[in-house]
Amino acid sequence: QLQLQESGPGLVKPSETLSLTCTVSGGSISSSSYHWGWIRQPPGKGLEWIANIYYSGSTYYNPSLKSRVTISVDTSKNQFSLKLSSVTATDTAVYYCARRGLRPERFDLWGRGTLVTVSS
Amino acid sequence: AIQMTQSPSSLSASVGDRVTITCRASQDIRNDLGWYQQKPGKAPKLLIYVASSLQSGVPSRFSGRRSGTDFTLTISSLQPEDFATYYCLQDYDYPLTFGGGTKVEIK
Repeated sequence: QLQLQESGPGLVKPSETLSLTCTVSGGSISSSSYHWGWIRQPPGKGLEWIANIYYSGSTYYNPSLKSRVTISVDTSKNQFSLKLSSVTATDTAVYYCARRGLRPERFDLWGRGTLVTVSS
Repeated sequence: AIQMTQSPSSLSASVGDRVTITCRASQDIRNDLGWYQQKPGKAPKLLIYVASSLQSGVPSRFSGRRSGTDFTLTISSLQPEDFATYYCLQDYDYPLTFGGGTKVEIK
């Protein structure tokens, strides 16, 4: 059964770069049927889509974050990653990685999420 | 970006009640909308995709419908495990955008 697991530091200092990795187990990230994405949720607030990536490297970004975000994929490790630069306290959130089925589109499998706090 | 206006933001209901949640898109998004359920401390879970298709394993008391740019999620008979927050997500165009959420609480 395919599973996703986020990993990375739980505390990041302001102005630094947040780096997270999502490890896909029980299946291949190199499937033509899926994109892989990141979604975040500030404490007590709603969901915000950040970015998607295809195994070939095609990327899709939220314009509100695009200048600070990089999503990448490592098919040899069955992982994809998120980097968010110049973080501030407003970037404090639970970050989820998720699998996005194509045709039709939907986020059908999610990781458990990881809380990242931005604080000095 | 396409805006998704979700209503109500919260509601109180009793077990057995019929509950309806609405999302309105700021433009035509065809049927490209999904509904997600989120319980406290948990990841969202897909319930409905392309407006009305039930995700595998989701109880049939959940249903979705589209009328123009208005989308509804209906729970036909609310069960104790359904108390949660529900979000819509438009899948039509990037950037993907969520509705603000509806918290379903116990009356």
